[in-house]
Amino acid sequence: AQKITQTQPGMFVQEKEAVTLDCTYDTSDQSYGLFWYKQPSSGEMIFLIYQGSYDEQNATEGRYSLNFQKARKSANLVISASQLGDSAMYFCAMREMGGSYIPTFGRGTSLIVHP
Amino acid sequence: GAVVSQHPSRVICKSGTSVKIECRSLDFQATTMFWYRQFPKKSLMLMATSNEGSKATYEQGVEKDKFLINHASLTLSTLTVTSAHPEDSSFYICSAKGQLGAHTEAFFGQGTRLTVV
Repeated sequence: AQKITQTQPGMFVQEKEAVTLDCTYDTSDQSYGLFWYKQPSSGEMIFLIYQGSYDEQNATEGRYSLNFQKARKSANLVISASQLGDSAMYFCAMREMGGSYIPTFGRGTSLIVHP
Repeated sequence: GAVVSQHPSRVICKSGTSVKIECRSLDFQATTMFWYRQFPKKSLMLMATSNEGSKATYEQGVEKDKFLINHASLTLSTLTVTSAHPEDSSFYICSAKGQLGAHTEAFFGQGTRLTVV
């Protein structure tokens, strides 16, 4: 069974608008971490934001925020004030602390920001 | 944040030859490194977990004799694609486990685009 589900294969957003990228996860662990990575066309994976399962507040990093809804097992990424350079693939990942610390990745969402 | 350097970023090789890809943690010691393969427009597929000083753990379906992994030091892991064939052409990316503040994080290299002709 898929542990990380990203249901949006592609998203479009206008420059300066906000966009939400969806991510739901499945785990029976109480302790886990959720991550978002950005992968531009160059291929490198860029860490964006982290949310721990015990963190009560939603994580924020600059224009990125993670909308963490634990009961729904969702960890959506919100990008505010989109920029053209935000066009990239975005991957949601989860690491279960009770396991081997190996992160599991979703299939990714392609975001295109247009002027 | 921690830096992981992967080299080369691009390589083209002839079918039948071997290619070595290096993954270095530049400012931290990484006892565990991961090797992923990514097909175009697809997610990252974990190939193997590399532990310093011991044999790598391969995921199901990954040929250990084909993809040789060596993790001889705390800052270097290598992936050698042996007797490469065109179907081995892919994007390979490594990550190293390190600390980011209070939690453990996977830091990624820049990736290597392998083309076998």
